[in-house]
Amino acid sequence: EAQVTQNPRYLITVTGKKLTVTCSQNMNHEYMSWYRQDPGLGLRQIYYSMNVEVTDKGDVPEGYKVSRKEKRNFPLILESPSPNQTSLYFCASTPGGGRYTGELFFGEGSRLTVL
Amino acid sequence: DQQVKQNSPSLSVQEGRISILNCDYTNSMFDYFLWYKKYPAEGPTFLISISSIKDKNEDGRFTVFLNKSAKHLSLHIVPSQPGDSAVYFCAAKISGTYKYIFGTGTRLKVLA
Repeated sequence: EAQVTQNPRYLITVTGKKLTVTCSQNMNHEYMSWYRQDPGLGLRQIYYSMNVEVTDKGDVPEGYKVSRKEKRNFPLILESPSPNQTSLYFCASTPGGGRYTGELFFGEGSRLTVL
Repeated sequence: DQQVKQNSPSLSVQEGRISILNCDYTNSMFDYFLWYKKYPAEGPTFLISISSIKDKNEDGRFTVFLNKSAKHLSLHIVPSQPGDSAVYFCAAKISGTYKYIFGTGTRLKVLA
């Protein structure tokens, strides 16, 4: 089954404790990205990657890091989480080049709480 | 500055009638516009998209209209069904990039 898988789905952590949210897709998509959803603000793009070793900042990259060492994986790293990073996070992917239709395929989301 | 705006936070429609969800944008550099539906505790799911060179795209009960002069996008759902009750996001992709800008969402409630 074609899917985008995020882990963990739920996490409660404390300020300053480094954490990683993993994202993996099995559709051989070139493009992957991370979003956060907050009440009244919709979905905001954090980082995106157009292919292996190619990443770029979205609208709200502060406090986050990403890496794209393999095509299928795009982890989101919070080096020193703070309470304002409490949010619902979504990973998404889409094929690039001639297969591109505009559609983003989203994971089920990871709800992160930073105390 | 919000480049993609959904000015109606919520909308209620009777089952069988038409639902019209609206979206305004300010950036002329968008090349694709998309609509997503989101249920609680799930990721957004793609509904329909339209290229900036077109003015209409239809897929079953869903039709998206693009008015470039007004910088306005709308999604029509006909007929509306109770299962359509969800939050709908419009999104736009900046040309030459994979940068997407999403609206804040409209909660649609279809009344049986």
